[in-house]
Order: sequence, then structure tokens, then C-alpha cells
Amino acid sequence: EPEVTQTPSHQVTQMGQEVILRCVPISNHLYFYWYRQILGQKVEFLVSFYNNEISEKSEIFDDQFSVERPDGSNFTLKIRSTKLEDSAMYFCASSGGTEIYGYTFGSGTRLTVV
Amino acid sequence: TQLLEQSPQFLSIQEGENLTVYCNSSSVFSSLQWYRQEPGEGPVLLVTVVTGGEVKKLKRLTFQFGDARKDSSLHITAAQPGDTGLYLCAGGSNYKLTFGKGTLLTVNP
Repeated sequence: EPEVTQTPSHQVTQMGQEVILRCVPISNHLYFYWYRQILGQKVEFLVSFYNNEISEKSEIFDDQFSVERPDGSNFTLKIRSTKLEDSAMYFCASSGGTEIYGYTFGSGTRLTVV
Repeated sequence: TQLLEQSPQFLSIQEGENLTVYCNSSSVFSSLQWYRQEPGEGPVLLVTVVTGGEVKKLKRLTFQFGDARKDSSLHITAAQPGDTGLYLCAGGSNYKLTFGKGTLLTVNP
């Protein structure tokens, strides 16, 4: 079964530091997403990406966040200057089409900002 | 802002019992997806429903999308301990999913 791979599984960073979270979506999928889940809270949408550009982004996804598909396989989320409140589980997902298609989520990266 | 309310928040039942969990919204969605999430893991897709009134079955699980495409239900027949987990509904529109908070189901042997 194809899967979405995320690295690292855990990352601890100092407040103010930049972090890059990496994802390898399913190879024939066209739509890519980042979601986050703060401990004990619901899964929240951050950004969707299609055809090498952002399709939709949430209010959370401010100018401290950016996404990139640097090559044909990786999809990254960068947080430029981390804050304590960025501590969360970050999930990458991909789908073969729009939201009427199911998404495949990765296992997540647990980001802890100290 | 689109919101999805799931009920009940917690449900604890005995093995063999039937149960229904609900997902409601005031907004119309293009699709309604159900996921199951284990602690420390990403959501795993169970089903996607797209058409109002649609019913899908996945073994002992039956999913229904409301006629107005604003709500959905998940019915489990003869629950088993392996069904224990967090069940999430998510409404799809405009290239994104809006998740509910989930129903945490515990099936006791």
C-alpha cells in the first residue's frame, strides 16, 4: 500500500530557530497538504498545494510559514522563526484529486519548540 | 467559518453492541470523509461520501451522508475491541478539509 513518508518523526528546536519538515507524498498524487494538530485538539488545515503553487491557506499559515516542492518527490514545510505555540504534530497528506478524493496522511512530525 | 460537530465526544460500549456516531454542520461540503486516528499517528481514511443521501458500507461499518450534504453518521454493527479508536469526520471544500474533534470509541471485551 502506497504511503506518505514524513521526516523527522520528532524534532525539538529552540524558539526563534528555523525548521524544515519533510514529506514524500504518494508518487502519482497531484495535491499536497499540510495539517497540524496541537495536543488534545482537532486537526487543523494549514495549506494545500497543486501545480507548484498554493491553492488555499488558512489564517494560521502566515508569512512565517512556507512550502516548497523542490524536486519531483519531496514536499517541505518551513517555519522561519519558531514560536512556542508552533509546538504540534504536523501531518503531510496527498490526494489524487480534489477534496472529493480521500487523503492519505503521513505519520506526522512531532515538533517541540522550547 | 465552517465547523463540524461530532457527537458523542466519548463512547464506551461492550463488545457485540451496535453504535452510531454523528457529524453535523451548518455548512454544505463537497464531500464528507471519515478517518480513524490512533494515538501519535496520522488519520487513516475509512471512506469518502460525495452524493447527498449516499450510503456506503465497509464490512461492519455503515456511513451515510445527509441529503443536504451537511451531516453524516457512522454506524458500527457488533463492535469489536479492535474498533477502539478516535473516529474523525472531515468536510471537504475549496482544496481543504475541516475536521471535527472526533468521537473516542472504546469497545470493552
